[in-house]
Amino acid sequence: EPEVTQTPSHQVTQMGQEVILRCVPISNHLYFYWYRQILGQKVEFLVSFYNNEISEKSEIFDDQFSVERPDGSNFTLKIRSTKLEDSAMYFCASRWASNTEAFFGQGTRLTVV
Amino acid sequence: RKEVEQDPGPFNVPEGATVAFNCTYSNSASQSFFWYRQDCRKEPKLLMSVYSSGNEDGRFTAQLNRASQYISLLIRDSKLSDSATYLCVVEGGSYIPTFGRGTSLIVHP
Repeated sequence: EPEVTQTPSHQVTQMGQEVILRCVPISNHLYFYWYRQILGQKVEFLVSFYNNEISEKSEIFDDQFSVERPDGSNFTLKIRSTKLEDSAMYFCASRWASNTEAFFGQGTRLTVV
Repeated sequence: RKEVEQDPGPFNVPEGATVAFNCTYSNSASQSFFWYRQDCRKEPKLLMSVYSSGNEDGRFTAQLNRASQYISLLIRDSKLSDSATYLCVVEGGSYIPTFGRGTSLIVHP
């Protein structure tokens, strides 16, 4: 069964450092998303990506965040200068069309120390 | 008013019980509705989509009430393996899946 894969599964970084979280969406999917979930809280939308550009972003997705789809398979989330409050589980998701099931990766647990 | 609201629970029920969760949403233009399941520290996984006419999948029944802007999930004959957090997901005009906080279910022997 096709699946969304994310690497690394766990990343520990020092405050102020840059991190890149990587995702390989399901190959024939067209819509890509990043969400985050702070421990004990709800899954929060960060950004959506379609047709090689950002289609929507939340107020959480400020100038410290960026996304790229550099090679047609990978989909990355970069946080330029991490803060303690960026510590969370980051989920990548993809789907074939809007209004259909979104498939989630297993997540990257980011810990900022 | 929050976009998607759920009672966080926990709902603590014995095996074999029937349990129901509700979810309300604020955007009357919402188009698509889903229930996802999330196990502890895992990714959300689709449990079922919710259709206007209501739908059933084995022990699970989902219903949509557009007039009152809520969706429901009914689980019959609860199993220990049903213990998880159930996430209500609503999609509005921007086609962004928006999550509720989730309802925690604990099924005990």
